[in-house]
Amino acid sequence: DTEVTQTPKHLVMGMTNKKSLKCEQHMGHRAMYWYKQKAKKPPELMFVYSYEKLSINESVPSRFSPECPNSSLLNLHLHALQPEDSALYLCASSQAELAIGELFFGEGSRLTVL
Amino acid sequence: QQQVKQSPQSLIVQKGGISIINCAYENTAFDYFPWYQQFPGKGPALLIAIRPDVSEKKEGRFTISFNKSAKQFSLHIMDSQPGDSATYFCAAGSGGSNYKLTFGKGTLLTVNP
Repeated sequence: DTEVTQTPKHLVMGMTNKKSLKCEQHMGHRAMYWYKQKAKKPPELMFVYSYEKLSINESVPSRFSPECPNSSLLNLHLHALQPEDSALYLCASSQAELAIGELFFGEGSRLTVL
Repeated sequence: QQQVKQSPQSLIVQKGGISIINCAYENTAFDYFPWYQQFPGKGPALLIAIRPDVSEKKEGRFTISFNKSAKQFSLHIMDSQPGDSATYFCAAGSGGSNYKLTFGKGTLLTVNP
């Protein structure tokens, strides 16, 4: 079982809606990540939080807004999305951003934008 | 160039056979080479990883072979089982930073019973 928990597992939203994806880990990891994955493609990095501070934004459109309320939680706020934003959104964590090691992925939130 | 080239795109193997997936990289700064396994509807999970100071690493039926001079590494799955059917991603990382993981495009492995 994954130790990174993502909710909801599925989300359908219209282009004018505001919704949020949530991620939680209790492994004491200090780095947390959002990835986007399209069908039959590898994960693409979106954001990295290190010690609860945003350290990397891979030029993601502002309609995606990340938030890290504490070291165990990571949110992704969604607003005015486009149909092409439909994808599997994966949260991941690791012990620390600057230490090579395992990325622990959640099962993802499958987003459909109508 | 940060690319990691993975082949084949898809692979069909009979139960009990050997599955081989290859990856090649160009950036000599890469110093961490993990393989992730992803089942449908699940997130990727680390399968096995290698650092460039060793040429081979084995964990159960899974082996990574690493050729530093050729800048290539491969995953061998011995005695392949239907439960191994999944998408496999090779990746490469550098600079002591996880976020710099560069993923290959993935290989869809199907193991027929």
